[in-house]
Amino acid sequence: GNSVTQMEGPVTLSEEAFLTINCTYTATGYPSLFWYVQYPGEGLQLLLKATKADDKGSNKGFEATYRKETTSFHLEKGSVQVSDSAVYFCALSDSGYSTLTFGKGTMLLVSP
Amino acid sequence: EPEVTQTPSHQVTQMGQEVILRCVPISNHLYFYWYRQILGQKVEFLVSFYNNEISEKSEIFDDQFSVERPDGSNFTLKIRSTKLEDSAMYFCASSEEGSREKLFFGSGTQLSVL
Repeated sequence: GNSVTQMEGPVTLSEEAFLTINCTYTATGYPSLFWYVQYPGEGLQLLLKATKADDKGSNKGFEATYRKETTSFHLEKGSVQVSDSAVYFCALSDSGYSTLTFGKGTMLLVSP
Repeated sequence: EPEVTQTPSHQVTQMGQEVILRCVPISNHLYFYWYRQILGQKVEFLVSFYNNEISEKSEIFDDQFSVERPDGSNFTLKIRSTKLEDSAMYFCASSEEGSREKLFFGSGTQLSVL
């Protein structure tokens, strides 16, 4: 079956540091890949997505590249801000419009 | 910006009791979902709902669970007889036609079964 594995958190960084949150997946077929973010007290919201191999999703300075050969979709940001503190979820859906399979989530804490 | 709202934010119940978790999806959305996250575990899919019927459900969504769209705005999840292992954060989500893969989630209801 499908599964998503994310690095354990919390990830603690100083402002302006470089961020990487690792995500690997197992899926049949050609899944679409997503990063969702949950800010404190809010619901999950879509941060970025990629629908096929070598696609790069980007939003708000975050990027992730769909790597089929390594079955990975690592989230990166060149310079984090305090306001990026949140829980980040990697997810996939099979081709078509099937349901999302999530990872456990990785908490990011950014200090000034 | 439109948002999915869930009530209550916290619900405490006794084992064996029925609970109803309520959600108001975004008004022009047509696809509705429930997910849950047990503490320390992954967010898990429960059920999806479209055109007034369940379109997909997981193994978790057994006979103790049901969903309903009682009117044009609410989407509810009922757990008939709660068990300790039902304690989790329950998330409602919705998406629109033409962008089904972009889910909008509510902030969740934390259910504690004692």
